This record gives sequence, C-alpha cells and structure tokens, in this order.
Amino acid sequence: QVQLQESGPGLVKPSQTLSLTCTVSGGSISSGSHYWSWIRQPAGKGLEWIGRSYTSGSTNYNPSLKSRVTISVDMSKNQFSLKLSSVTAADTAVYYCARANFRLLHYYMDVWGKGTTVTVSS
Amino acid sequence: AIQLTQSPSSLSASVGDRVTITCRASQGINSGLAWYQQKPGKAPKLLIYDASSLESGVPSRFSGSGSGTDFTLTISSLQPEDFATYYCQQFNSYPHTFGPGTKVDIK
Repeated sequence: QVQLQESGPGLVKPSQTLSLTCTVSGGSISSGSHYWSWIRQPAGKGLEWIGRSYTSGSTNYNPSLKSRVTISVDMSKNQFSLKLSSVTAADTAVYYCARANFRLLHYYMDVWGKGTTVTVSS
Repeated sequence: AIQLTQSPSSLSASVGDRVTITCRASQGINSGLAWYQQKPGKAPKLLIYDASSLESGVPSRFSGSGSGTDFTLTISSLQPEDFATYYCQQFNSYPHTFGPGTKVDIK
C-alpha cells in the first residue's frame, strides 16, 4: 500500500522560496506508470492543482503558477519535491502531494498525502 | 482554462436520502472528470474517475454519469459517513481545474 508524506518548513517569509518534499513509502516511485502531483488548498477554500511530474522528468504546471513552480522527482530517495519561488501571503495554504495513476483514459490522483500547512509571513 | 461550476454549493440532507450533485464544464471535456470526497482536516479521496467508473473500495451507493459538459454525482442512500464536501476535477486539458465544491451536511 503506497503512502505519501509531505515535509518541509511550516513558515516561509515573503519573497522567499517554498520548498516541500513528498516521501513515497510502500512502493517505488519509479515503478509503474505514474505522475507525481502537488495540490494546495487555502484555509476554508477549494482545491487548486499546482502541477505534476512524470518519473522521466516531463512536467505540467498550472499556468497561473508556472513562472514560479518547479516539481521534480528524485528516484534515488523515493521522493518528489515542490519549489515555489517569490511567495506571498496568497500562497498560504495546505499543500498536498498525490500520486496520479492511469485509469483507462487519464491519470487520476488516487493516493494522497495528509497535507502540510505552509504559512507565508514575516 | 476550463472552468467548472458545481450546484448546489451546499445542501442539507437526511440519512437515507438520494443526493445528486451537478458539475458543469465551460467547454467539453469528454469523460475526463473525477469526483472526490473531502472531510474536514483530511485529504480528498477519489470516488469516481472517467466520469462514471467507481474507484476500487468505494461503496456502490456512489455513482457518476455524464460526458461533454454536464456531469452528476449521485449518492443513492446517504449514510452518516457521507457528510463531507465533494469536488469535481477535469483532466481533459491543463490546468486540471477543480470545481468549487459542494458541502453536504446533516438536515
């Protein structure tokens, strides 16, 4: 049973870079056909898809964040990461990592981490 | 970007009720739609994918239908554990946008 766990600083200063890691356990990040994704949710609000990376390094990002986002996979550590630069208070949210698994037509997010809260404040 | 709207935004229902939630896309997305359930303080859980396929382990009282721009999630007989917020998400084009959510609470 694959499990995901987010980790990283809970507090980031404005204009700095938010860096989060998602550790995959119970399976290899390089096995199967999966995308590794990040999603965020401001307190009391809806979900926002940030982007995803295939194990090959191929990525897709939300255009609203594309200039600031990097998602990468580290197969040697069985982890993938999110970097979001030049953060502002608007980036304060719960950040989720998720595995996207192929289901007939598309890759759907079937395994999620529990989420980690990141606050942007000086 | 494709916009998703959900209706209603919230509803109150009783255990045993049949509940239907609608998701409408701003342009056609074929069958590239998923439904998630989210409980407070928890991560979303995949219920339905490809608009109408039930994810493994999800109770059969959940069903999805639709294609193109109009989709529905139906709970045939609401159970106490089903009180939650439900989101649709489209996968037809980037970004993979979510709907704003429908909160289902106890009447």
